[in-house]
Amino acid sequence: AQSVTQLDSHVSVSEGTPVLLRCNYSSSYSPSLFWYVQHPNKGLQLLLKYTSAATLVKGINGFEAEFKKSETSFHLTKPSAHMSDAAEYFCVGYTGTASKLTFGTGTRLQVTL
Amino acid sequence: SQTIHQWPATLVQPVGSPLSLECTVEGTSNPNLYWYRQAAGRGLQLLFYSIGIGQISSEVPQNLSASRPQDRQFILSSKKLLLSDSGFYLCAWSITGTETQYFGPGTRLLVL
Repeated sequence: AQSVTQLDSHVSVSEGTPVLLRCNYSSSYSPSLFWYVQHPNKGLQLLLKYTSAATLVKGINGFEAEFKKSETSFHLTKPSAHMSDAAEYFCVGYTGTASKLTFGTGTRLQVTL
Repeated sequence: SQTIHQWPATLVQPVGSPLSLECTVEGTSNPNLYWYRQAAGRGLQLLFYSIGIGQISSEVPQNLSASRPQDRQFILSSKKLLLSDSGFYLCAWSITGTETQYFGPGTRLLVL
């Protein structure tokens, strides 16, 4: 079955240090993958999306993700964390049916001083 | 530009009462529309999606229903709420034939 797997349910980093949120996808997926961010009690905001044009995708707020077919991974990174980055992050895949998406279980990013 | 609205933002309802949540999209036509539920500490579950007026597909059996009376209006309803209906309900839209979905601000529902 098609799926995306977020390897960490919770990640804690210090402000100013790099962020790495990990996501693996099933190899049968079409190459459309997304990262969304959700701040507490808010809707989801699109950070970036991969659609096979380039393996390194740059998103908003300094985030980027690299599509690695050999590792079936789509990890999200940021060089330097800010306090405002504290939120829930979802890795999402496209099923190819009526624009339906499949969501990972989410990674909660905590940023400490 | 396109915007998506949901209301109410927060709702507290007794068990057995009816429910109506509304979602509207502005700035686009014939969008695909989606209802998701996010239970506390869990991911998103797709409840319904619609590719056009009056066309609703249900993803999971439940006591909820959805309707699309107008092109850019999507309504989530229930005749009798259960405790398990508590959660954060998100509406989303996408351009027909494309993958990216854009989410509304959500409605927090607490059933007591």
